[in-house]
Amino acid sequence: DQQVKQNSPSLSVQEGRISILNCDYTNSMFDYFLWYKKYPAEGPTFLISISSIKDKNEDGRFTVFLNKSAKHLSLHIVPSQPGDSAVYFCAASPARASGGYQKVTFGTGTKLQVIP
Amino acid sequence: ETGVTQSPTHLIKTRGQQVTLRCSSQSGHNTVSWYQQALGQGPQFIFQYYREEENGRGNFPPRFSGLQFPNYSSELNVNALELDDSALYLCASSPGVLVLRETQYFGPGTRLLVL
Repeated sequence: DQQVKQNSPSLSVQEGRISILNCDYTNSMFDYFLWYKKYPAEGPTFLISISSIKDKNEDGRFTVFLNKSAKHLSLHIVPSQPGDSAVYFCAASPARASGGYQKVTFGTGTKLQVIP
Repeated sequence: ETGVTQSPTHLIKTRGQQVTLRCSSQSGHNTVSWYQQALGQGPQFIFQYYREEENGRGNFPPRFSGLQFPNYSSELNVNALELDDSALYLCASSPGVLVLRETQYFGPGTRLLVL
């Protein structure tokens, strides 16, 4: 049961253009969403997050949009740079901790290649 | 550089064997979580420890167990290895008891191959 879905396993974008990575979720208890970036031979690193009370969060070249009614979020990277080439994971977490911890559920990832 | 290290980087075992993977968290981080990332999948939560006690577990059988030590190191033990246990195992540390979602710091992982 994949509660967080990234339907595009890969994406290629020209340097300087916009990269749009999409993510869908099914669990209506999720209220906090994160994007992680992963380079080969490294662990995921946190990129940007958004709470369900917002529909947009921006951090430099990275913007995350949330459409709660559609259970859909997207990550926009503008402009894309070759160093952005990595695997991007969408992740989600419920509002309240259960048993003292807040479980983060990850999607399957999208491999972004930015072509110089 | 997250300050979280894992050893070994790679490991090959045969079915039925036991394995111990190690993680060294950032100093002061009392929470450690372990994830399994199978090929082509995202990380899946195995369990979490806070101050040497397990306080959360995902859908993994009891043959997956862990330990956390006062010196900010931890272990993941897997008994009776199965072929499907082949994966990248990630540990992530964070300061508090409730994992503030964005403050998990991941190590580079241990890639386990079970033959």
